[in-house]
Amino acid sequence: GNSVTQMEGPVTLSEEAFLTINCTYTATGYPSLFWYVQYPGEGLQLLLKATKADDKGSNKGFEATYRKETTSFHLEKGSVQVSDSAVYFCALGDAKQGAQKLVFGQGTRLTINP
Amino acid sequence: DTGVSQNPRHKITKRGQNVTFRCDPISEHNRLYWYRQTLGQGPEFLTYFQNEAQLEKSRLLSDRFSAERPKGSFSTLEIQRTEQGDSAMYLCASSSGTVNPYEQYFGPGTRLTVT
Repeated sequence: GNSVTQMEGPVTLSEEAFLTINCTYTATGYPSLFWYVQYPGEGLQLLLKATKADDKGSNKGFEATYRKETTSFHLEKGSVQVSDSAVYFCALGDAKQGAQKLVFGQGTRLTINP
Repeated sequence: DTGVSQNPRHKITKRGQNVTFRCDPISEHNRLYWYRQTLGQGPEFLTYFQNEAQLEKSRLLSDRFSAERPKGSFSTLEIQRTEQGDSAMYLCASSSGTVNPYEQYFGPGTRLTVT
């Protein structure tokens, strides 16, 4: 079945540091890929998405490129801020698996220190 | 557009009691999903509705769980004879069939604690 593996956390960085959170996936078809973010006390929010190979999703300074050859969708940001502290989830959706459900990774907790 | 809402936000119940949660999706969204999230894990799919039809249920959804979406608008998730293992955050999400169905919008969740 489909699965998503994320880099284990927690990750702690200083403000303005470069961020990479690794995400790899296993899927039988050609899934859509997503990053969701969960800020403290809030619900999951869609951060960015990519629907086919080589697509780059971007939002709020974050980027991720759909790499079919390495089955990866790593999240990057050039200069993080304290307000980026949150839990980040990589997810995939594959219509061949029936319902358009999302399959999530376990999440990576990110803390940015001033 | 007020987003996805869920009620209650927190529920504490004793083992063996029944609980019911409500989800109100974004009004124009015809697809509605329930997920369960335990501490330190990502959300896991429970069930999915397209309009009022329940089209898929996960194996995680035991016979004690039932979900409805009677008029294709709000949905309820009921857990009968709760067990301590049911303690989790229950998330509802909705999406539009005319856009990427995986672009799901989540509510704040209902945190269930079974004592």
